[in-house]
Amino acid sequence: ETGVTQTPRHLVMGMTNKKSLKCEQHLGHNAMYWYKQSAKKPLELMFVYSLEERVENNSVPSRFSPECPNSSHLFLHLHTLQPEDSALYLCASSQEWRTTSTDTQYFGPGTRLTVL
Amino acid sequence: QKEVEQNSGPLSVPEGAIASLNCTYSDRGSQSFFWYRQYSGKSPELIMFIYSNGDKEDGRFTAQLNKASQYVSLLIRDSQPSDSATYLCAVKSNTGKLIFGQGTTLQVKP
Repeated sequence: ETGVTQTPRHLVMGMTNKKSLKCEQHLGHNAMYWYKQSAKKPLELMFVYSLEERVENNSVPSRFSPECPNSSHLFLHLHTLQPEDSALYLCASSQEWRTTSTDTQYFGPGTRLTVL
Repeated sequence: QKEVEQNSGPLSVPEGAIASLNCTYSDRGSQSFFWYRQYSGKSPELIMFIYSNGDKEDGRFTAQLNKASQYVSLLIRDSQPSDSATYLCAVKSNTGKLIFGQGTTLQVKP
């Protein structure tokens, strides 16, 4: 496996379900990110982890709960979601958080989430 | 005012032409600028970045940056149908956050 991987690739869940999204990066990076991409809207940063510590939480509802057990793995736990939460959820990683200007983020393939 | 603005398009160009994609940003403290390409149903992939005023060329792609005008562009020479995608402009502020525009859809017609 290379780069950034995400599972599952597609997920359909009801509003009362609990599910988790998984992200793994094989790049030796120290920072990992969750983004939400809805139709016709810019990518929205949700959470940032740097060396397993959460450093950004962009006013995300508590029904989204991130977890970063180590610098290679990132989870997004979902519970009691709403239909408007249906979107593409993207994980990304970069070498560091808030360092060199040219430190770029690399994205995983995303999880297409549909909430019924 | 949006932090990063792009015309959503679609921008339609004939095969072989130059495609010009534009982006403006509001934060004068922005440090560096990235262009990502996103095919339908796929995740964004980095094309190139630029952080100094002027032009930066990489193959058929040229990024142009004008910090005084808060403007960054991407030129694609000899456009191919395979270049048809949504192009995302992203701006890194001095806080480290990457702020994305909504993207411009490019259609290259054979």
